[in-house]
Amino acid sequence: AQTVTQSQPEMSVQEAETVTLSCTYDTSESDYYLFWYKQPPSRQMILVIRQEAYKQQNATENRFSVNFQKAAKSFSLKISDSQLGDAAMYFCAYGTYNTDKLIFGTGTRLQVFP
Amino acid sequence: KAGVTQTPRYLIKTRGQQVTLSCSPISGHRSVSWYQQTPGQGLQFLFEYFSETQRNKGNFPGRFSGRQFSNSRSEMNVSTLELGDSALYLCASSLRGVGQETQYFGPGTRLLVL
Repeated sequence: AQTVTQSQPEMSVQEAETVTLSCTYDTSESDYYLFWYKQPPSRQMILVIRQEAYKQQNATENRFSVNFQKAAKSFSLKISDSQLGDAAMYFCAYGTYNTDKLIFGTGTRLQVFP
Repeated sequence: KAGVTQTPRYLIKTRGQQVTLSCSPISGHRSVSWYQQTPGQGLQFLFEYFSETQRNKGNFPGRFSGRQFSNSRSEMNVSTLELGDSALYLCASSLRGVGQETQYFGPGTRLLVL
């Protein structure tokens, strides 16, 4: 069965600094998708970044980038120039084309200090 | 486009009652999935509907059921409520499916069972 593990329950970063959130997963599939979702205190989940496993190039979205290591089954999220608005729970998620569900990690709570 | 809406936002019920939650997806989205979020279990997949058909179901008892209407709106029902059903229930929509596409989440319905 596929699993997603986030080993850091909490992380903190100073404003303008860089932080990396870790995620590992287990799967026997070769074609799959990985996501980072952000859940601020308002509770509404929003997509941060998406990675297709068949793409070797790491996805980036402005200040957010991933380090996707397929062989190691690792998918970390790097947030550069952290802002106060980045404070939230971050969830790593795994999905495949034909499973019709997302498997989420337990989340990492990110605090950003001024 | 309007986002995913969920009603009601908050609900208080007593043990043994039943409850129905509603989710209206983004216009044009045909896939609707439901998740239960609790502090202890994290985010767990309940089920996914596409074009009025349930395509996948998570590991929840039969008290949890759902349906999707021809306009893609979805409802989930929990019968014979238990204290452990207290949670934030999130729904998400996408064009075609869950595993590979960005999911757009609603604000959630917070259910408290007394």
